[in-house]
Amino acid sequence: NAGVMQNPRHLVRRRGQEARLRCSPMKGHSHVYWYRQLPEEGLKFMVYLQKENIIDESGMPKERFSAEFPKEGPSILRIQQVVRGDSAAYFCASSLQGPDTGELFFGEGSRLTVL
Amino acid sequence: QKEVEQNSGPLSVPEGAIASLNCTYSDRGSQSFFWYRQYSGKSPELIMFIYSNGDKEDGRFTAQLNKASQYVSLLIRDSQPSDSATYLCAVTPAGNKLTFGGGTRVLVKP
Repeated sequence: NAGVMQNPRHLVRRRGQEARLRCSPMKGHSHVYWYRQLPEEGLKFMVYLQKENIIDESGMPKERFSAEFPKEGPSILRIQQVVRGDSAAYFCASSLQGPDTGELFFGEGSRLTVL
Repeated sequence: QKEVEQNSGPLSVPEGAIASLNCTYSDRGSQSFFWYRQYSGKSPELIMFIYSNGDKEDGRFTAQLNKASQYVSLLIRDSQPSDSATYLCAVTPAGNKLTFGGGTRVLVKP
């Protein structure tokens, strides 16, 4: 039984390029979350999605960042025109139930480096 | 004020001793409380959750919750070097998104 799968595990981009991070939740999980973690810091919530719907995007920067979870396929976190400050580990998590009742299972993360 | 606060540490504990980690939260309406462990360069993994006031024990781990004081703690008994990691406290404020503290780094010395 595969866990939460994220790819790529490592991504290097130059300033101004686009970064696309993918997340396949655990089988049967319809709740997906994206978190960002800077070195030596905790996890910062970005967005919570259910299939085809954004439930809570209060942690997403207003510009350049977008997320989707289509009916078919993985969830995508897209960062346009990356800047050095976007360098971080981006973790995806999924759960069977909503965030207040269920355990979140995390993927191994995608580590973005912006040169 | 941060929503979830933890002492960043490091908390240095001799092998076999008890490690005591603390966490406070700001939203009095919070319903669910979790402790995650994260090894360096790895993803967080859930080790404990607690919903009601009091203590909850699972093996060498005990979570303690005091909603009146808005305080949740984690005790690790008989600490082992393999317990060396960062422990993240997470809270669900009033059914909303899971919010993490900054984590406490624990070092268990042989």
